[in-house]
Amino acid sequence: AQSVTQPDIHITVSEGASLELRCNYSYGATPYLFWYVQSPGQGLQLLLKYFSGDTLVQGIKGFEAEFKRSQSSFNLRKPSVHWSDAAEYFCAVGNNTNAGKSTFGDGTTLTVKP
Amino acid sequence: DVKVTQSSRYLVKRTGEKVFLECVQDMDHENMFWYRQDPGLGLRLIYFSYDVKMKEKGDIPEGYSVSREKKERFSLILESASTNQTSMYLCASSLVGGSSYEQYFGPGTRLTVT
Repeated sequence: AQSVTQPDIHITVSEGASLELRCNYSYGATPYLFWYVQSPGQGLQLLLKYFSGDTLVQGIKGFEAEFKRSQSSFNLRKPSVHWSDAAEYFCAVGNNTNAGKSTFGDGTTLTVKP
Repeated sequence: DVKVTQSSRYLVKRTGEKVFLECVQDMDHENMFWYRQDPGLGLRLIYFSYDVKMKEKGDIPEGYSVSREKKERFSLILESASTNQTSMYLCASSLVGGSSYEQYFGPGTRLTVT
């Protein structure tokens, strides 16, 4: 079975500061890993994904994430946060043996201080 | 761009009513999903469909059923709505195979059962 843990329920950062959101997964083989963002009252939008190859992946809106197999982690980073980044962020894990189903973490809410 | 639409953004129903939530996607995706989202619980999969007339229970199917008569449309049915089904409902779709397991989400339906 696959599972995802997002250890931080809520994070507050100042505008312009760097950001790292943590994600740990559990899956026996090579996972498919995703980060999604949800603005208030909206559905989820894909930020980036990892399937194979380069372990540092670039996404939209200046986000990147690094897959670390030894730590079972896929942390999301951004060097300089903008006020518009305030949202809820979800990490998800999937694989190619369960027909494309993903398991989502509980989410991390990001607040950006002016 | 993939578009996933949901029939209502907000819905208020009475206990015991039969409720239909409709979801339509326009990109010929094989997979479609229904989730409910509650604070602190992340996204929980209710039902999943991998083809027309094919469905599979997710993690919390009790009290729900689904219908997929056409590839583009996936309906969630609450046979007899109860107050504990008050929630945000999210529909998603995805392709199968290759690197295309990311899910595309609709804007959500916030259902209140009184």
